[in-house]
Amino acid sequence: DAKTTQPPSMDCAEGRAANLPCNHSTISGNEYVYWYRQIHSQGPQYIIHGLKNNETNEMASLIITEDRKSSTLILPHATLRDTAVYYCIVRVGWGGGGFKTIFGAGTRLFVKA
Amino acid sequence: KAGVTQTPRYLIKTRGQQVTLSCSPISGHRSVSWYQQTPGQGLQFLFEYFSETQRNKGNFPGRFSGRQFSNSRSEMNVSTLELGDSALYLCASSFSYATAKNRGELFFGEGSRLTVL
Repeated sequence: DAKTTQPPSMDCAEGRAANLPCNHSTISGNEYVYWYRQIHSQGPQYIIHGLKNNETNEMASLIITEDRKSSTLILPHATLRDTAVYYCIVRVGWGGGGFKTIFGAGTRLFVKA
Repeated sequence: KAGVTQTPRYLIKTRGQQVTLSCSPISGHRSVSWYQQTPGQGLQFLFEYFSETQRNKGNFPGRFSGRQFSNSRSEMNVSTLELGDSALYLCASSFSYATAKNRGELFFGEGSRLTVL
């Protein structure tokens, strides 16, 4: 079973910030939070990841709560091309025991003009 | 650098047949994982390989199998195909761990779309 829960869908106006929440209340200390998005049944694409600190890159920002039980992906200026399914997953950062990456249902983000 | 390559991209089979799908990971990636994606079930983890060994397996019947070669290329096989096996099969490769120098993220291929008639 997925270790994350996300709202099934969200709307956002073009040019506005899109804030996508994710709950991962059972996250372990060695698990990172990763965000991916999938457009039109292409392979999912990495967006950002973090362990405990907030992170920012050219695509998005990731805000992780202090207790690490939830996080928010922020797309600062959403465009129509950001319409996609966004997946939040938790995954160990080192693969000695292997990876078993479990995707939940994700959030379908609709960016509207 | 070249991305993850999956072949074939599209294929049609009939019930009872078997199918083999191939995945060539990004150079240097030794972890390869497979996923099945259907409209009803979403993205489901099939299995993960590292250094020719299956390290993790999802909840799929034994008809689904895979292997990894010494060059990290991987194949998955589905025997005795059923209508419900129609899906997009995605392969992803990654480094085996995240460090300060790599993000440890999964790199996905375009997928192999299987239709079972």
